[in-house]
Amino acid sequence: GAVVSQHPSRVICKSGTSVKIECRSLDFQATTMFWYRQFPKKSLMLMATSNEGSKATYEQGVEKDKFLINHASLTLSTLTVTSAHPEDSSFYICSARVPGITDEQFFGPGTRLTVL
Amino acid sequence: DAKTTQPTSMDCAEGRAANLPCNHSTISGNEYVYWYRQIHSQGPQYIIHGLKNNETNEMASLIITEDRKSSTLILPHATLRDTAVYYCIVRVGNQAGTALIFGKGTTLSVSS
Repeated sequence: GAVVSQHPSRVICKSGTSVKIECRSLDFQATTMFWYRQFPKKSLMLMATSNEGSKATYEQGVEKDKFLINHASLTLSTLTVTSAHPEDSSFYICSARVPGITDEQFFGPGTRLTVL
Repeated sequence: DAKTTQPTSMDCAEGRAANLPCNHSTISGNEYVYWYRQIHSQGPQYIIHGLKNNETNEMASLIITEDRKSSTLILPHATLRDTAVYYCIVRVGNQAGTALIFGKGTTLSVSS
């Protein structure tokens, strides 16, 4: 299947700082990527849909000014957690759909964010 | 998208078949059944999907009842590495630009 990578795999930062997470489609072009967040022992929650060349669409309750999404190319989307707080500590996962394949969605390995 | 109901957890002995059920009684005619799994601290992994007919691939088999109101994912010879949370998701196929929505899934524990 198609490969989606994320960087970094884990990051620890101080409260108040910003953290950028990258999501790349390695062997295909993705016009649409998705960002999820997962708290311990919980399911994945969709945060936003990232569209190449246009603004992201955020789910209800997700602050767009706090979670900045940029999808500048067909292979890269970035999520920046601004002014991070301990409650932003979570597992962030991106995914992308492969054009032309019946609705399969491929996921990155996730990024573990810990805010101290 | 139709709602799905899965058991919270299941146990399986290594080497045995793991049969994971999913109820989707409100499924509509153009909705597919997808199965993904998530091993601890990893991103979800696609397993299989189907519309009406039973499907099989190198990972698993998907059995869909004739009325399509329920399905079963079968891992024919479970191994310890199959321990994961398994998600059954029902949605219309080829929905460009829309994300998968995850429920709580079934935690499958495979033991030796």
